Amino acid sequence: EGQLEESGGGLVQPGGSLRLSCAASGFTFSSYSMSWVRQAPGKGLEWVSYISGSSSTIYYADSVKGRFTLSRDNAKNSLYLQMNSLRDEDAAVYYCARDEAGTSWSFDIWGQGTMVTVSS
Amino acid sequence: DIQMTQSPSSLSASVGDRVTITCRASQSVSIYLNWYQQKPGKAPKLLIYAASSLQSGVPSRFSGSGSGTDFTLTISSLHPEDFATYYCQQNYNTPPWTFGQGTKVEIK
Repeated sequence: EGQLEESGGGLVQPGGSLRLSCAASGFTFSSYSMSWVRQAPGKGLEWVSYISGSSSTIYYADSVKGRFTLSRDNAKNSLYLQMNSLRDEDAAVYYCARDEAGTSWSFDIWGQGTMVTVSS
Repeated sequence: DIQMTQSPSSLSASVGDRVTITCRASQSVSIYLNWYQQKPGKAPKLLIYAASSLQSGVPSRFSGSGSGTDFTLTISSLHPEDFATYYCQQNYNTPPWTFGQGTKVEIK
């Protein structure tokens, strides 16, 4: 059973930048694709970005394309989300999640989330 | 993008009730449909994957069915710990993967 732990959230002004991290443990991190999913206060879930195990394939939601960059360091068992040009609507709890082939590529493990607040 | 619509948005039920939540996709997603449970302040938890497969450790009172565009999550007998918000999610083909808006199950 693996674990994920996000960090890096906080308060940032509109137009600012933030880098989120996700530390993985308890499983072979390099063998798994990973995603970020966010949830605005009182709202539903929104998929944000996906990265394959080798980093060869990366996808973004249209709402963050060109502003967010997803990367990973398999040697450090870590996932990163660089968020630039932040907008009010980016305020949310950001979860990292593991994509599991054995469960039809569903998100089988989630972190506890890290909150991003965008406000002047 | 594939739109996912859940119904109802909320429901009130009693312990022991049978509860059914539906999820409709704007186009076929085959069986690439997952269900998650989320409690306040907590991360979502995977319940059902590939439309009808029960995730390890999830009680058998949870079941899923459907294919194509219409899916159902059923709780056969509601337990106190089942009061939560439930989300469907499609992961058909390539992203963007989309979630339904959620169904909040409340105590009657």
